[in-house]
Amino acid sequence: EIVLTQSPGTLSLSPGERATLSCRASQSISSRFLAWYHQKPGQAPRLLIYGASSRATGIPDRFSGSGSGTDFTLTISRLVPEDFAVYYCQQYGSSPYTFGQGTKLEIK
Amino acid sequence: EVHLVQSGAEVKKPGESLKISCKGSGYSFTTSWIGWVRQMPGKGLEWMGIIYPADSDTRYSPSFQGQVTISADKSISTVYLQWSSLKASDSGMYYCARPTSGWSFEYWGQGTLVTVSS
Repeated sequence: EIVLTQSPGTLSLSPGERATLSCRASQSISSRFLAWYHQKPGQAPRLLIYGASSRATGIPDRFSGSGSGTDFTLTISRLVPEDFAVYYCQQYGSSPYTFGQGTKLEIK
Repeated sequence: EVHLVQSGAEVKKPGESLKISCKGSGYSFTTSWIGWVRQMPGKGLEWMGIIYPADSDTRYSPSFQGQVTISADKSISTVYLQWSSLKASDSGMYYCARPTSGWSFEYWGQGTLVTVSS
């Protein structure tokens, strides 16, 4: 089973700043099968990025994903208030399709 | 428009059985995988398993194999998650979700809260 480790656990930033979230895998993820989600309190998760770098439908271009192998990054170029949430990465290259433990992005 | 509508919240006692549901609409239900994800109170997301309703091909995470059963009824476009004997540690929010691009989950149900307490 592939273990995903996200860092940092909590990220405190202000609106307008740039956010960089990391997701590291215990083994290489085939074909960049890595997704990012965010989840706001009381809501279901929402898909942001799939295939490591492709934005899901309706996701603004301030969200971008990069990486390959074992190291992946989600970047939010300029934070807006609705971006403050918990972010999860998920690998789907090898079953079980595990999630990381999450990064909480909070307002500074 | 794709919709996944889950059954309502449940309160059960340890040892009881439970079956929760997820009804899909707005897409080809039979030929689309549906998965289940657990979120324990205040915790992260856990991938439980996934089913292909056309032939009920089911894949489980080793962490949930033998602990739950995932099934589907094509005739009513519904997928189920069931327990034969609940434990307090089964308490949590359970989401069904449909993958689109590879196995990433683009569509999610609203979640079913399961509370197991004596």
